[in-house]
Amino acid sequence: GESVGLHLPTLSVQEGDNSIINCAYSNSASDYFIWYKQESGKGPQFIIDIRSNMDKRQGQRVTVLLNKTVKHLSLQIAATQPGDSAVYFCAGRGSGYSTLTFGKGTMLLVSP
Amino acid sequence: EAQVTQNPRYLITVTGKKLTVTCSQNMNHEYMSWYRQDPGLGLRQIYYSMNVEVTDKGDVPEGYKVSRKEKRNFPLILESPSPNQTSLYFCASSLSGTAINYGYTFGSGTRLTVV
Repeated sequence: GESVGLHLPTLSVQEGDNSIINCAYSNSASDYFIWYKQESGKGPQFIIDIRSNMDKRQGQRVTVLLNKTVKHLSLQIAATQPGDSAVYFCAGRGSGYSTLTFGKGTMLLVSP
Repeated sequence: EAQVTQNPRYLITVTGKKLTVTCSQNMNHEYMSWYRQDPGLGLRQIYYSMNVEVTDKGDVPEGYKVSRKEKRNFPLILESPSPNQTSLYFCASSLSGTAINYGYTFGSGTRLTVV
């Protein structure tokens, strides 16, 4: 199976800073990862994904880095804004035939 | 609009009174799943369905039932709710359970309180 965990339960940053949220996974066969954002009172929403044959993927203001050697991925948010305040989850797929396993989440707090 | 719709959004009920939380998706997705979310425990899978008439237990299935009689609907049934089932529930769907390309689409959640 897949065990996915996050290093910090809460991350506080100032508006305009860059934020980095980390995630570790246990299954070296994991081949697909997703970052989700969950705002208060809403369901998780897809942010960005990455396959295991990549080590970096960029979106709009977000970058995901994957280090398969140490089984670690991170989500970087550039120029963090108050609207980025939310809980961020990583999710991993153990293999091509398995479903997603979710981490517990990190709450990102952005102060003006 | 492509979406997963859960009802109700909020529900307070008493111990032992059967209830059903409905979930419907309009994206012709094969895969649907139920999760509960509790503080400090993250999202835990209750049941999932790979397709019509195919359902399987997730990590925490005790006290829950599901059915998948048609592709778009995946109701969650609590035959005899207990206070430890007080939680925030999410339904999710995807083209396939392997989630390749954009993962799962989640509903807005149902906050259930059992007293």
